[in-house]
Amino acid sequence: QSALTQPPSASGSPGQSVTISCTGTSSDVGKYNYVSWYQQHPGKAPKLMIYEVTERPSGVPDRFSGSKSGNTASLTVSGLQAEDEANYYCSSYAGTAWVFGGGTKLTVL
Amino acid sequence: EVQLVESGGGFVQPGGSLRLFCAASGFTFSTYSMNWVRQAPGKGLEWVSYISFRSDTVYYADSVKGRFIISRDNAKNSLYVQMNSLRAEDTAVYYCARNKVYDFDIWGQGTMVTVSS
Repeated sequence: QSALTQPPSASGSPGQSVTISCTGTSSDVGKYNYVSWYQQHPGKAPKLMIYEVTERPSGVPDRFSGSKSGNTASLTVSGLQAEDEANYYCSSYAGTAWVFGGGTKLTVL
Repeated sequence: EVQLVESGGGFVQPGGSLRLFCAASGFTFSTYSMNWVRQAPGKGLEWVSYISFRSDTVYYADSVKGRFIISRDNAKNSLYVQMNSLRAEDTAVYYCARNKVYDFDIWGQGTMVTVSS
């Protein structure tokens, strides 16, 4: 049950796009199409942004998109807005457990 | 409104025990699997435990296996975790989270557990 690897930080200017990576192994990200992404603002509970690699829950802007290649999943935020500044966590199902990434702090410059 | 509300957190000495509660409302609790996820101060999220909707399958993170016990009461729309032999490294905000399928679509606001002498 090793944590997934995310960059600690990412940044972009309003209107730009930014991509956050999430690297796992052939036992989690590479094996299952059950990667999800969560947005967490300081002091708040996490919010589901992407599930099953590419799917967006209702109410999540289509500026958020997900993808996967091999053992690495990615979250892309297009048309950055000030309210997108938050911590983002990836997660993957791993058979009899779930693993999270260490989190990426997204800064909107 | 779909809602999860945790309670039961507090201060406990190392080696002690604590039971957390999660009250569900606004959805048919008995048809969803549930989880506990924690977040140590200033740290990332860590999945802790899972229980299927009928309680016939449970999973635990290696870090809590043998010390924590997850359970639920569908008649009371409630999720629990009994935490024993607590350690300083168990200090965290504990969230209950609903499984959509293999993700966590609804989260509570969390309850803080502090393990310290």
